[in-house]
Order: sequence, then C-alpha cells, then structure tokens
Amino acid sequence: EVQLLESGGGLVQPGGSLRLSCAASGFTFSTYVMNWVRQAPGKGLEWVSGISNDGGSTYYADSVKGRYTISRDNSKNTLYLQMNSLRAEDTALYYCAKVSLRYFEYWGQGTLVTVSS
Amino acid sequence: QSALTQPASVSGSPGQSITISCTGTSSDVGSYNLVSWYQQHPGKAPKLIIYEVSRRPSGVSNRFSGSKSGNTASLTISGLQAEDEADYYCCSYAGTNTYVFGTGTKVTVL
Repeated sequence: EVQLLESGGGLVQPGGSLRLSCAASGFTFSTYVMNWVRQAPGKGLEWVSGISNDGGSTYYADSVKGRYTISRDNSKNTLYLQMNSLRAEDTALYYCAKVSLRYFEYWGQGTLVTVSS
Repeated sequence: QSALTQPASVSGSPGQSITISCTGTSSDVGSYNLVSWYQQHPGKAPKLIIYEVSRRPSGVSNRFSGSKSGNTASLTISGLQAEDEADYYCCSYAGTNTYVFGTGTKVTVL
C-alpha cells in the first residue's frame, strides 16, 4: 500500500524558513517523479514543485521560484521542500504527491504551514 | 500560469447526471491529452478519479467519465449519489513538467 506522510509544518514568521518532509513507502520511491501541491485555507489546489526520480531535475511554480527548493533522498525514501523567505500567502496545507506519467496518483494527508507574525 | 476555469458550484438530484467544465488555453488543456480530475471530500486529501482525459483508475466508479474538446475538458457524473458530494478539481499538464489546476467545483446533491 502506497503511503505518503508529510511532516515539518508549523507556525513561522514572515521572512522565515521551514523544511517539509514526505516519507514514502509501499512503492519503489527512486523510480517515481514526486511533486508538492498546496491548498490555502478554503481555497483550491496549486501546483508548487516537482522533482525527477533521480533528483537531477527540478521544477517550480513562478509563485515560489527562487524561494523554495525541492530535493529528495532516495536512500531514505524521503522528499523535501525547503521554504525560505516565507510570506503570508504561502500559508497552506502542503501535500506531497506521487506522480505517474502526468497525473497525481497518490497524495499524502498534508502538513499545515502558517505564516504569521 | 493562470488557473483553469471551473464553475464554482454544480448541483443535481440523486440519480441525475451532472457535468463540470474545465476551460484552459491552447498552452495547457488544448495542447495535451493529459487532463486529470480529483475528488476531495471535506478535510480529506484529493483522490484521483480520471487521468489522461478519460481513463479511470482501478476502483473508481464507472459513473465518472471524462472528455475533452479543444481547450475545454469535462467531467460527467452519472447516477448522482449522496457520496459524490465533494469538491472536484481538474488539472492539466502545462509542459516542462509543470501543471495547472482548476479553480474547483463544489458538487451538491440535492
């Protein structure tokens, strides 16, 4: 059974940093593209970032480019999202998702990031 | 990337069919047969219900079907049931390993 467990969310001040983690199990992590998708409270889904199976290629939404860094450790079956220079508009539930071809096949339960002073 | 446009809400009575539209541009929906749809119940993670415009994952009811014409994709739910009450999001591949989601549609079963 595929499981994705996000962690690392919390309350952070504007301008601060946070690192999210996503522990994967139930599939061969190193062979799949992984992505982060977020959802602001009461709002819709927004694609944030993606990373190739070997970590060699990364992709970002314009709204986070230059501030966020996606990475992975295939030896630990873990996906990461380093978030710097956080803004109030980054407040959201952050989901990690396993990608098959060009769709989000499995989702975690999310970790909440709140940016507020 | 601008979000794909979906109606904010759609409603129907049990047993009826409803259709949710998802309008993008020639750079996303119109360029790729890579539209997917997700169902999200309150407080839950999204769940894949349609991929590659019209394919259903194993275990998803055949009451859900998808189609696409030009820059607009559609999700049809036939034989509407109470359990179908949820938010629905479309998503399109937009090239260079980027994606764009729809604005979301709240489905209400009357």
